[in-house]
Amino acid sequence: GENVEQHPSTLSVQEGDSAVIKCTYSDSASNYFPWYKQELGKRPQLIIDIRSNVGEKKDQRIAVTLNKTAKHFSLHITETQPEDSAVYFCAAPGTNAGKSTFGDGTTLTVKP
Amino acid sequence: GAGVSQSPSNKVTEKGKDVELRCDPISGHTALYWYRQSLGQGLEFLIYFQGNSAPDKSGLPSDRFSAERTGGSVSTLTIQRTQQEDSAVYLCASTRGGSSYNEQFFGPGTRLTVL
Repeated sequence: GENVEQHPSTLSVQEGDSAVIKCTYSDSASNYFPWYKQELGKRPQLIIDIRSNVGEKKDQRIAVTLNKTAKHFSLHITETQPEDSAVYFCAAPGTNAGKSTFGDGTTLTVKP
Repeated sequence: GAGVSQSPSNKVTEKGKDVELRCDPISGHTALYWYRQSLGQGLEFLIYFQGNSAPDKSGLPSDRFSAERTGGSVSTLTIQRTQQEDSAVYLCASTRGGSSYNEQFFGPGTRLTVL
């Protein structure tokens, strides 16, 4: 099955700095890579995703890059704000389209 | 429209009791997923349904855990003879398409506490 590794597990940045979270996956059949944000006490929500036919996707201050050759994808947050503080999860479906394997999460803290 | 709902929101039970957790997916969503999230931990996959069938039950921790889905809609996760290590938040999610190649919409979760 798919194996997803996410790094770092915790990340602390100053407001206004950039944050980068990286995930690696094992199954080359994976072709959909979402990122979810989970605020404290809330449910995870999709913030951005990318499909394997593109290498980068941007949405305002967030972007995701994909390197299919190296089997890794990253979340980039620019001009971080305190409200970006949350746990971020990456995921990859693998060959089994019915199941997504999630990374262990990254706790991002943005200090004002 | 209405999102994914789960009930109860909180459940406190005594060790050894059975519990049932309910998930109402978004109408028309064919795939439904159950995850377990222990405090400060990630999303542990338990089981998913495609319609009323469960092609992948590989994540169920033991035979004390079971799940069913009826009418391609509501799903129930049952934990028999609960143990303290079952304490966690149980999250349900559904997708519009029939696969995980689509956004998963999560419910608010059920916080289970086993005393």
